[in-house]
Amino acid sequence: NAGVTQTPKFRVLKTGQSMTLLCAQDMNHEYMYWYRQDPGMGLRLIHYSVGEGTTAKGEVPDGYNVSRLKKQNFLLGLESAAPSQTSVYFCASRTETSRTGELFFGEGSRLTVL
Amino acid sequence: GESVGLHLPTLSVQEGDNSIINCAYSNSASDYFIWYKQESGKGPQFIIDIRSNMDKRQGQRVTVLLNKTVKHLSLQIAATQPGDSAVYFCAETLTGTASKLTFGTGTRLQVTL
Repeated sequence: NAGVTQTPKFRVLKTGQSMTLLCAQDMNHEYMYWYRQDPGMGLRLIHYSVGEGTTAKGEVPDGYNVSRLKKQNFLLGLESAAPSQTSVYFCASRTETSRTGELFFGEGSRLTVL
Repeated sequence: GESVGLHLPTLSVQEGDNSIINCAYSNSASDYFIWYKQESGKGPQFIIDIRSNMDKRQGQRVTVLLNKTVKHLSLQIAATQPGDSAVYFCAETLTGTASKLTFGTGTRLQVTL
């Protein structure tokens, strides 16, 4: 099993450009999450999903959209990138039967917005 | 690649010594607490958790202590090894909220030989 796979791993954008980060998990997990990690701020939740076809806002959702059309995939979109969105993005997943706080994370996608 | 920033508190420990990493959590309503380890260039990895009805829980070489009175969490690592070098995050959540974790800012553990 690959676990949680994020693509791309690195991307450089210009201000105003759009892009989509893809998260794929092969563990049949119901819950999926997108976090961003910035220096000195830990990880902050952007959006999450509790199942196929559902999405919900996290702590810092502005400027991002998400979709969960298939159970195994969770897409994070930036419609008009801003320098403030320069960050490392992590996708995570969890199954209903696992321990409450046991999320499985991908290896991250580093995004730079110029 | 580098996954965390430059301004983390750092704990330096000699190989073989015990490490204690501390965390102050923010929400008195949280009832579930977790420690994660993040190695350079990787995503966080679950280490151990504890519910608010407990004050201590032990795993393999790790122990988590919870003091709800002062909203304090600590992670103790016994016989610290070079492979323990990483950034450690505490996280909190409230059960029934879809495991939306709120993470602390992290502590870097450096193990010296």
